[in-house]
Amino acid sequence: KQEVTQIPAALSVPEGENLVLNCSFTDSAIYNLQWFRQDPGKGLTSLLLIQSSQREQTSGRLNASLDKSSGRSTLYIAASQPGDSATYLCAVPPITGGGNKLTFGTGTQLKVEL
Amino acid sequence: DAGITQSPRHKVTETGTPVTLRCHQTENHRYMYWYRQDPGHGLRLIHYSYGVKDTDKGEVSDGYSVSRSKTEDFLLTLESATSSQTSVYFCAISDGVLETQYFGPGTRLLVL
Repeated sequence: KQEVTQIPAALSVPEGENLVLNCSFTDSAIYNLQWFRQDPGKGLTSLLLIQSSQREQTSGRLNASLDKSSGRSTLYIAASQPGDSATYLCAVPPITGGGNKLTFGTGTQLKVEL
Repeated sequence: DAGITQSPRHKVTETGTPVTLRCHQTENHRYMYWYRQDPGHGLRLIHYSYGVKDTDKGEVSDGYSVSRSKTEDFLLTLESATSSQTSVYFCAISDGVLETQYFGPGTRLLVL
């Protein structure tokens, strides 16, 4: 069974700092990996989707990398802002069991302070 | 934001009563999903649909049923609600099986 771990569970940084969020998964047979953002009391917002054949995907100040062989992905946030404060979740659809059955990590709660 | 709405947004009910949550989309996406989110467990898939009248079970389907009679609507029913079903329920949609999933705003359900 696929297990997805995100460490740390919570992170507090000063504004302007570059930071890295980590996501680990136990089964490397995945189609892709997705990063989401969730604001308190809200639904999830898709940030980036990396295909299994890709190593990186970028959107604005966000850069996600994927290393399937080691079962890891990182989300790099450059020049963090208070508006980046949210919980960040990664999710993978395993090849076994259906490509749309996402397994989520429990998230990293990020707080960017002024 | 993708056109996804969920109703009701909040509901309080009593143990043993039936509850139906509705997800409505305006994107004409083929796939629709129901998740629940609980502290310590994260998001877990309950059921999903890959077309009208086509549904399949997810990780935590016991105690839940779903129906999809139209492309735009996906209903989640708790036949006899239990306190363990107190949770936040999210609907999601995607255009393809490996495409990005877009989430609705969620429904907070409290079963007393």
